[in-house]
Amino acid sequence: DGGITQSPKYLFRKEGQNVTLSCEQNLNHDAMYWYRQDPGQGLRLIYYSHIVNDFQKGDIAEGYSVSREKKESFPLTVTSAQKNPTAFYLCASSIQGIGNEQFFGPGTRLTVL
Amino acid sequence: KQEVTQIPAALSVPEGENLVLNCSFTDSAIYNLQWFRQDPGKGLTSLLLIQSSQREQTSGRLNASLDKSSGRSTLYIAASQPGDSATYLCAVSTGSARQLTFGSGTQLTVLP
Repeated sequence: DGGITQSPKYLFRKEGQNVTLSCEQNLNHDAMYWYRQDPGQGLRLIYYSHIVNDFQKGDIAEGYSVSREKKESFPLTVTSAQKNPTAFYLCASSIQGIGNEQFFGPGTRLTVL
Repeated sequence: KQEVTQIPAALSVPEGENLVLNCSFTDSAIYNLQWFRQDPGKGLTSLLLIQSSQREQTSGRLNASLDKSSGRSTLYIAASQPGDSATYLCAVSTGSARQLTFGSGTQLTVLP
């Protein structure tokens, strides 16, 4: 099956800890994205990558970091510098070029205890 | 900065009704517009993608229109069913990165 997987589904973190969220895709998409969703709100872009070994900050990158060492993988680290990390995190991917429909993974719900 | 607004925030209709969800955006320089469905606690499912040069797209009981010059899109759902109950999100693609800017969504409840 082709698709996007995210793990874990639920993640609990103590204050001051860094945590890493996994995102893997087997769609052979070049571009990958991380979004954050808060209750009752739309999604906001954290980071994106259009090619391996390159990534760009989105609208709310502070307190987050990413890497893109492989085409299939785009992990997101939520650092202790992120002041309000409790949220639903969604990963997406798309082919490059005009008409790049984005496809989403099932999401990871992060709760800070 | 692109802003996307969806009205209404919530909508409740009886089964079988036809309904329209609205989306407006402030910057008409978009590449495309996507409509998504989100069930509680789940990821997003892409419903329809309209390129900036297109006026509408159809998939089954869904029809989405785009009026780029006025910054508006509508999602028409025909003969609604309880299984259509979900949050519907609109997003526009802009900028050199073609990043998506999302509205806050319309929460739809179809009553049996």
